[in-house]
Amino acid sequence: QVQLVESGGGLVKPGGSLRLSCAASGFTFSDYYMSWIRQAPGKGLEWVSYISSSSNYTKYADSVKGRFSISRDNAKNSLYLQMNSLRAEDTALYYCARGSFDSWGQGTLVTVSS
Amino acid sequence: QAVLTQPSSLSASPGASASLTCTLRSGITVGPYRIYWYQQKPGSPPQYLLRYKSDSDKQQGSGVPSRFSGSKDASANAGILLISGLQSEDEADYYCMIWHSSAYVFGTGTKVTVL
Repeated sequence: QVQLVESGGGLVKPGGSLRLSCAASGFTFSDYYMSWIRQAPGKGLEWVSYISSSSNYTKYADSVKGRFSISRDNAKNSLYLQMNSLRAEDTALYYCARGSFDSWGQGTLVTVSS
Repeated sequence: QAVLTQPSSLSASPGASASLTCTLRSGITVGPYRIYWYQQKPGSPPQYLLRYKSDSDKQQGSGVPSRFSGSKDASANAGILLISGLQSEDEADYYCMIWHSSAYVFGTGTKVTVL
């Protein structure tokens, strides 16, 4: 069965950096575009970033453009999100999701606070 | 104004039908869009329910009961998620989503309470 497992979240100070990972299994990872989606505590869903199956196309929400970078390693069935210049408003549960979000991981919590 | 607006809450009785709307912002016409729907229960990630563009372009999520169905109301410029025969387990938050201007956009979400 499809499984997505996020890791790398934690507590970081404003201005700091964090790298999230998502390990995929149960499907042919290289066939799918992948996304990161976040959910601030008690709030709705916000799409963060997207990467095509072969990494030749990426897209970012305006709220993270220039600060976050998405990447993937198809040989390792892994998706990544490099987050720099973190702000308090980036505090959220970060999910990775497949395709048009037909499968989701459990999420990894990122807290930005001094 | 949000691209996709959903009522913040909806209450209905067990066995009743619930119609959840996802209204597109003025200037964005619902016709060409695939509307995706997700269900999120407390403490869990969202789960894909279905997508709907037209009766010839629709998809039910794997294992999703047929009492969840999608449609559109062109006059209201909205996508609709219909839940028939409401059950207590349907109590959750529901989000719609579209691909718009090369970005994914989620709706504001509707909290469904089964009284």
